[in-house]
Amino acid sequence: ETGVTQSPTHLIKTRGQQVTLRCSSQSGHNTVSWYQQALGQGPQFIFQYYREEENGRGNFPPRFSGLQFPNYSSELNVNALELDDSALYLCASSSRVGTYEQYFGPGTRLTVT
Amino acid sequence: GQSLEQPSEVTAVEGAIVQINCTYQTSGFYGLSWYQQHDGGAPTFLSYNGLDGLEETGRFSSFLSRSDSYGYLLLQELQMKDSASYFCAFPSGYALNFGKGTSLLVTP
Repeated sequence: ETGVTQSPTHLIKTRGQQVTLRCSSQSGHNTVSWYQQALGQGPQFIFQYYREEENGRGNFPPRFSGLQFPNYSSELNVNALELDDSALYLCASSSRVGTYEQYFGPGTRLTVT
Repeated sequence: GQSLEQPSEVTAVEGAIVQINCTYQTSGFYGLSWYQQHDGGAPTFLSYNGLDGLEETGRFSSFLSRSDSYGYLLLQELQMKDSASYFCAFPSGYALNFGKGTSLLVTP
C-alpha cells in the first residue's frame, strides 16, 4: 500500500508569484483534502476534492484553487502569493467524504519572500 | 462558532503517564479525533471517539464526554519517541477542524 506523497518538499517563491503543489493520494482513496499549517498552529482546511469536483472549502480566498485528476492525485494552486502564505501545505487522502480519519502526506514547506 | 482548546505545552518524564486535555465548542458534533505530528512530519491518526467513554489503543487511550464538551488523550509508559505535537480535531462538514496542538516533551 502506497502512502500519500507530496512534491516538492520545499519551495521558495517571491510575493506575487504563482505556485503549484502536487499530491498523490494513498491507493484506494478517492477523496483528497488540502490543509495549510502555519508555524505553531494546527492544520487549517483549505478545500476537499471528490470525483474531480471541489465539494467543500474553508475560509480561503479564490486565489487558492485546486484540481483532482482521474487517478485521484491532486494539485493546489496559489496565485498572487502573499507573505502570509508561507506555511506547510498538507495533503490528506481518505476513502470517503467527511471522515474523521485522514492520511496525511509529509507536506510542502512554502516560503514566500 | 467552532473552536477547540488545548494546552500549548506539556512536559513529562520517560515512563510516566500524561494526559492532554481538549475542550471544544461546536454545533453538530459527531466525535473527536486525535493526531500526532513529529517535527517536520505528517500528522498521523491516533484515535477517534464517536461515543462517550474510553477508547484504548495500546499505550494510548482517548476519552470523550459530550455533556462536558471535553476529551483527553492519555499516554502511558511514555517513551522519548512520544515527544511530538498532539492535536484534537472534529469533523465538520467536509473538513477536519484542528486545535492549535499540544507540544509534548518527554525528558529522561
